[in-house]
Amino acid sequence: ELKVEQNPLFLSMQEGKNYTIYCNYSTTSDRLYWYRQDPGKSLESLFVLLSNGAVKQEGRLMASLDTKARLSTLHITAAVHDLSATYFCAVGQTGANNLFFGTGTRLTVIP
Amino acid sequence: DGGITQSPKYLFRKEGQNVTLSCEQNLNHDAMYWYRQDPGQGLRLIYYSQIVNDFQKGDIAEGYSVSREKKESFPLTVTSAQKNPTAFYLCASSNWGQGTYEQYFGPGTRLTVT
Repeated sequence: ELKVEQNPLFLSMQEGKNYTIYCNYSTTSDRLYWYRQDPGKSLESLFVLLSNGAVKQEGRLMASLDTKARLSTLHITAAVHDLSATYFCAVGQTGANNLFFGTGTRLTVIP
Repeated sequence: DGGITQSPKYLFRKEGQNVTLSCEQNLNHDAMYWYRQDPGQGLRLIYYSQIVNDFQKGDIAEGYSVSREKKESFPLTVTSAQKNPTAFYLCASSNWGQGTYEQYFGPGTRLTVT
């Protein structure tokens, strides 16, 4: 079974600072997704990464994928309070539709 | 508007009762999924369906049942055999066999069983 690990699990950071969330997975995959979840809400899609070396950016968030290292990163630049949420990575199993989710990183941005 | 709807938003039941959660999508997606989320946890797959009248068990299917009689609908029944049913249930859908396989999520149903 494909296993997905995220770290850190909890992240408290000051506004204006930069930080990176890491997502490691255990077996070969051809796609990786990042989602955001606000408290009590559903999941909102942030990024879809489909190839080695893929990099996508939206506002203060940038995601990248290294399929050889089985690693994706979500980089936060100059954090603002609105980014406070839980961020999940999800990895697709090659040849199947299933997604395997990490346990999430709860980000709190402190003014 | 295209999207996924789940109802109800909140559901309260007594232990020993079966309960059915609704999930409808108008995205013309072939595949649909049910996940369970417990507080502070990630999502765990209960069941998924890639085509009408066919579905497969996920990691935690025991105590749950599903049906897929229409492409748009994928209801989940939480049976009395589910030992700890209180959780947040999320339905999702995606393309299958083409595209990015990106899963789109509904707003969720929060089930409380006492």
